[in-house]
Amino acid sequence: DAKTTQPNSMESNEEEPVHLPCNHSTISGTDYIHWYRQLPSQGPEYVIHGLTSNVNNRMASLAIAEDRKSSTLILHRATLRDAAVYYCILRDDPQGAQKLVFGQGTRLTINP
Amino acid sequence: NAGVMQNPRHLVRRRGQEARLRCSPMKGHSHVYWYRQLPEEGLKFMVYLQKENIIDESGMPKERFSAEFPKEGPSILRIQQVVRGDSAAYFCASSVSWGVNQPQHFGDGTRLSIL
Repeated sequence: DAKTTQPNSMESNEEEPVHLPCNHSTISGTDYIHWYRQLPSQGPEYVIHGLTSNVNNRMASLAIAEDRKSSTLILHRATLRDAAVYYCILRDDPQGAQKLVFGQGTRLTINP
Repeated sequence: NAGVMQNPRHLVRRRGQEARLRCSPMKGHSHVYWYRQLPEEGLKFMVYLQKENIIDESGMPKERFSAEFPKEGPSILRIQQVVRGDSAAYFCASSVSWGVNQPQHFGDGTRLSIL
């Protein structure tokens, strides 16, 4: 899987939007961009994924740059429950490995 | 609408004993993955199974570790002759099918402590 780069930590306030960046300058044309998060003492939780177009679901939005070398996970209105480590993961090779390769992620702190 | 169920949530073993970790995937999911998270480290893939078959075990330690996903019943991760370094959180995930477009849904893990 191609490498991603994320800030180690970010901080935001409750009820404000949060933009979590991810750089993936070596992304290939078939790489999907996935986001997972891990709340304290819990397993990872799938958030969203996309290939080229921006994506929205009930949890978040994913904005993908036109050249696909970066993407941003957007939490529209953060709550205390959104405090977690967020992982940006590239997945490719449909015929090959199905494993997720987790990096260090971004630890998001939400202030009340 | 049960998610991925792992048990036990906490397991304590003495060095040299065996540890058995169980994972029941989400209903309708036939693909199971095991990951390990060592203290203060990231999640690492261990093994990927599809009913009765091991598809990818590239992340499994060569000795003492084995995994199965029988036709009936949960997936089992088995660690024989445990050592202190096996202390970690073990997470299971499942997906409805294979493919890089398929999300994996995780359980809340089994925290293994070795005395």
